[in-house]
Amino acid sequence: NAGVTQTPKFRVLKTGQSMTLLCAQDMNHEYMYWYRQDPGMGLRLIHYSVGEGTTAKGEVPDGYNVSRLKKQNFLLGLESAAPSQTSVYFCASSLLTGSRTPQHFGDGTRLSIL
Amino acid sequence: GESVGLHLPTLSVQEGDNSIINCAYSNSASDYFIWYKQESGKGPQFIIDIRSNMDKRQGQRVTVLLNKTVKHLSLQIAATQPGDSAVYFCAESHGGSEKLVFGKGTKLTVNP
Repeated sequence: NAGVTQTPKFRVLKTGQSMTLLCAQDMNHEYMYWYRQDPGMGLRLIHYSVGEGTTAKGEVPDGYNVSRLKKQNFLLGLESAAPSQTSVYFCASSLLTGSRTPQHFGDGTRLSIL
Repeated sequence: GESVGLHLPTLSVQEGDNSIINCAYSNSASDYFIWYKQESGKGPQFIIDIRSNMDKRQGQRVTVLLNKTVKHLSLQIAATQPGDSAVYFCAESHGGSEKLVFGKGTKLTVNP
């Protein structure tokens, strides 16, 4: 049982390039989340999904898009990367809403934009 | 608005001592609270949660205390070990919200 798996673990991009971060969970969780973690800022919610085929904006959604075509996968896309998007990205999932059950996290993707 | 914060950004303890990590929240509607541990290079790991109908909950070597009167949450770690060295986050939510609000974290260092 792998839990929440994020790929890739590290990536360096040039400004303007695009990429997709993949999150996969094998716990049959309904809810999935994407966060970014920056020094001194804590975890900030980018987008989340309350079930297959649904997505919603979080606290800092600009510059990112997401898709949840399959229940177990949640993709985070950067269409045109900017240096301000240099961060550590975490995916999480929860069985039910995050206000009732704990979220379980992957080990992150470390993304640098040059 | 909602905010979750920590009183101390760093905490240093001796191995074997008990540790107490504090957290304050401002939303009186918050009714679900979680503590996470984050080791270097890893994602946050769930430790323990508590709902507002309780004021204390115990796990293995950890206890969470909730004081709704002063909107304060604490995590107590008994017999702290070097493996407990990490950053600890509190997070809170309330019914009707699908999201958690995270504090900025306290770094716990355990000295041998």
